[in-house]
Amino acid sequence: EADIYQTPRYLVIGTGKKITLECSQTMGHDKMYWYQQDPGMELHLIHYSYGVNSTEKGDLSSESTVSRIRTEHFPLTLESARPSHTSQYLCASSELGGVRTFGSGTRLTVV
Amino acid sequence: GESVGLHLPTLSVQEGDNSIINCAYSNSASDYFIWYKQESGKGPQFIIDIRSNMDKRQGQRVTVLLNKTVKHLSLQIAATQPGDSAVYFCAENSGGSNYKLTFGKGTLLTVNP
Repeated sequence: EADIYQTPRYLVIGTGKKITLECSQTMGHDKMYWYQQDPGMELHLIHYSYGVNSTEKGDLSSESTVSRIRTEHFPLTLESARPSHTSQYLCASSELGGVRTFGSGTRLTVV
Repeated sequence: GESVGLHLPTLSVQEGDNSIINCAYSNSASDYFIWYKQESGKGPQFIIDIRSNMDKRQGQRVTVLLNKTVKHLSLQIAATQPGDSAVYFCAENSGGSNYKLTFGKGTLLTVNP
């Protein structure tokens, strides 16, 4: 079944650690996105990619970085986690058009 | 600037009633709108979409209405069920063919049995 997967679902990590949030989709979508969402709040776009070797920053400034070496894989990396990075991170993909298919998210807590 | 907002942050209804969730948008150039449902612990799930050349679109138990004159979007859920309890987001496309979506603040819908 075509889907989009995020790992880990939950992550508690100490300040200063490097972390990578994984996102993979099996739908062959060219476009992929990372959103940041605080509880009960709107989604903010932090990174997007329109294809392999294409990455752009989104509307919300983020200290994270992304890479797109393969169509199906769009990992997000924080080189040095801080408490201000505590949030939920949602990965999404889309084919043509605007409808995003979202993963279940990674809830990150930095202590 | 561009913004998408919801009139009501919470909505509580009885099972079987109809629900109406509202959304206001400010960018008159937006040409495409989507409603998403987000259940606790999950990512947003697509419900229904509408293009700006339409006023109404119906799905299974859901209807989206678009009023471009007052820049207002609504989601109607018929015969609301406990499984409909979730946060509902509207999103507008202001990026033309790039489909740059702006998400509004969610409305929490609670369905009482």
